[in-house]
Amino acid sequence: SAVISQKPSRDICQRGTSLTIQCQVDSQVTMMFWYRQQPGQSLTLIATANQGSEATYESGFVIDKFPISRPNLTFSTLTVSNMSPEDSSIYLCSVRAGSYNEQFFGPGTRLTVL
Amino acid sequence: GDSVTQMEGPVTLSEEAFLTINCTYTATGYPSLFWYVQYPGEGLQLLLKATKADDKGSNKGFEATYRKETTSFHLEKGSVQVSDSAVYFCALTGGGYQKVTFGTGTKLQVIP
Repeated sequence: SAVISQKPSRDICQRGTSLTIQCQVDSQVTMMFWYRQQPGQSLTLIATANQGSEATYESGFVIDKFPISRPNLTFSTLTVSNMSPEDSSIYLCSVRAGSYNEQFFGPGTRLTVL
Repeated sequence: GDSVTQMEGPVTLSEEAFLTINCTYTATGYPSLFWYVQYPGEGLQLLLKATKADDKGSNKGFEATYRKETTSFHLEKGSVQVSDSAVYFCALTGGGYQKVTFGTGTKLQVIP
């Protein structure tokens, strides 16, 4: 298994500003994932982050809006840039671990943009 | 592409009632199947998994059987408790580093 922590747990931000979310894992992992969960919705994959290479973004998500860093095998950051109220969501960090590549999730960062 | 379809919620049950949340999937090959649970204000936790046909995953009184012939992975519990109130997500992955595909989630509310 993997234990994942995220900071901050929640934040309230003003329109036009940026927020960086940190994700720390208790073991080394090859791939880290960033998801968005809008209110009452399922999870949408934003991007996959490999250590030492650029993140791979899903359709509808771009690097300018959601820059990601992956400086080592236990840490990643996601920045939500130039925020608007539509960015209000829970942002979840996730990794694969275990014998069957189970997906483990952090507690999430609850973002509200005013 | 792969997809997961869950029954729509919310589902409201009285304590000690029997729970079934339906989940069906479409996928190529032989995916692994998962149920995740999200308690209010928290992230997702893996509840149970099954990696091949006829496998039964179980945890905390919940069970689900991988039925390849009906492409289903229904979640069941014999007697729900108030503490089971949460959102339940069915998911699949083709294995390796393939993406995980999630259902839309089913909200369960258990009343005393």
